[in-house]
Amino acid sequence: SQTIHQWPATLVQPVGSPLSLECTVEGTSNPNLYWYRQAAGRGLQLLFYSVGIGQISSEVPQNLSASRPQDRQFILSSKKLLLSDSGFYLCAWSVQMNTEAFFGQGTRLTVV
Amino acid sequence: SQQGEEDPQALSIQEGENATMNCSYKTSINNLQWYRQNSGRGLVHLILIRSNEREKHSGRLRVTLDTSKKSSSLLITASRAADTASYFCAGGGFQGAQKLVFGQGTRLTINP
Repeated sequence: SQTIHQWPATLVQPVGSPLSLECTVEGTSNPNLYWYRQAAGRGLQLLFYSVGIGQISSEVPQNLSASRPQDRQFILSSKKLLLSDSGFYLCAWSVQMNTEAFFGQGTRLTVV
Repeated sequence: SQQGEEDPQALSIQEGENATMNCSYKTSINNLQWYRQNSGRGLVHLILIRSNEREKHSGRLRVTLDTSKKSSSLLITASRAADTASYFCAGGGFQGAQKLVFGQGTRLTINP
């Protein structure tokens, strides 16, 4: 069966520090991969999505970047965090655009 | 900007009553999906309705889709306290792209 792993669950980082959040999927090949951010009590903002290795589409210009070094690995990074980067980050995958998405449990990032 | 907008933003009803949430979207989609999110957790897929379908059922869930009005509704019948969560709609295949765009969500509270 397919599973998605996202870690860490919580993270507190100082302003100006780097960030690396990792997401891996098991049990499927060539998934579509997504990074979303959710502000408290709000909806999900699509940050990046990827349809294949090295193929990254950015939805919102910002202080973050994403990479897909392997088929089932999706990484969200920042060189220097801002206070506004705080939020709940969710990774998700789907088989293709016409099917349901499966979400990780999320990472609560607090930039202090 | 978000393509899905849920209405109402918050809904509080008594256990046993039916809960109806609405979703509107702005551009053409291939499918419309509904998700549930318990506080501080990832999203869980509930149901998907394709653009050529008008109504779909799954257990106590009933989803309708009106592509002429670019709107969808989610009905939860015989609500239970465990249904308390946030519910999100998401448009799939937005403009043919491989991404899933979410609305702001409806916060549903079921009072025992």
